[in-house]
Amino acid sequence: AQTVTQSQPEMSVQEAETVTLSCTYDTSESDYYLFWYKQPPSRQMILVIRQEAYKQQNATENRFSVNFQKAAKSFSLKISDSQLGDAAMYFCAYRLYSGGGADGLTFGKGTHLIIQP
Amino acid sequence: EPEVTQTPSHQVTQMGQEVILRCVPISNHLYFYWYRQILGQKVEFLVSFYNNEISEKSEIFDDQFSVERPDGSNFTLKIRSTKLEDSAMYFCASLPKGRNTEAFFGQGTRLTVV
Repeated sequence: AQTVTQSQPEMSVQEAETVTLSCTYDTSESDYYLFWYKQPPSRQMILVIRQEAYKQQNATENRFSVNFQKAAKSFSLKISDSQLGDAAMYFCAYRLYSGGGADGLTFGKGTHLIIQP
Repeated sequence: EPEVTQTPSHQVTQMGQEVILRCVPISNHLYFYWYRQILGQKVEFLVSFYNNEISEKSEIFDDQFSVERPDGSNFTLKIRSTKLEDSAMYFCASLPKGRNTEAFFGQGTRLTVV
């Protein structure tokens, strides 16, 4: 079974600075996806960024980028120029690609990101 | 922008009662999911549904749970006899066909069992 581990229950960063959230995962599969989801106090799940395991290039979305190390099974999220609106729970998630879309997401326990003004 | 819609946003029920949580996935999506998040904990996969049948289910999804797509647009989660520990946020998600896609989540239904 796949597992996703987020070792930082809480992180704090000053506004406008950069923060990196850690995620490791365990799988014996080679074809899968990795995601970072943001969950603000409203508890809506919002996709931040996605990485396909077969792609070597790290995904980026504006101020958000990942460092994907497939051999090390590591998938960290870097947030640059942190903004107050970035404050939320961040969940790392894994989904196997088995030729269809039926596989569910496996989530980590989350990291609570605090932005200090 | 199309979105996944869940109703109700908050449901309070007595222990032992049946509840039905409703979801309207995005219309051209083919894969549907339910997830659960107990307050303060991680999001957990319950079940996936494709081609009018369950594709995969977790250990949490026992005999008291069932899913249905009764009319081609709604996707429901039924809990037959609710327990206190069923209190959680329940998220519906849907996914289109294709390799490079991601699941779209609804806003969630907060279930409180008293």
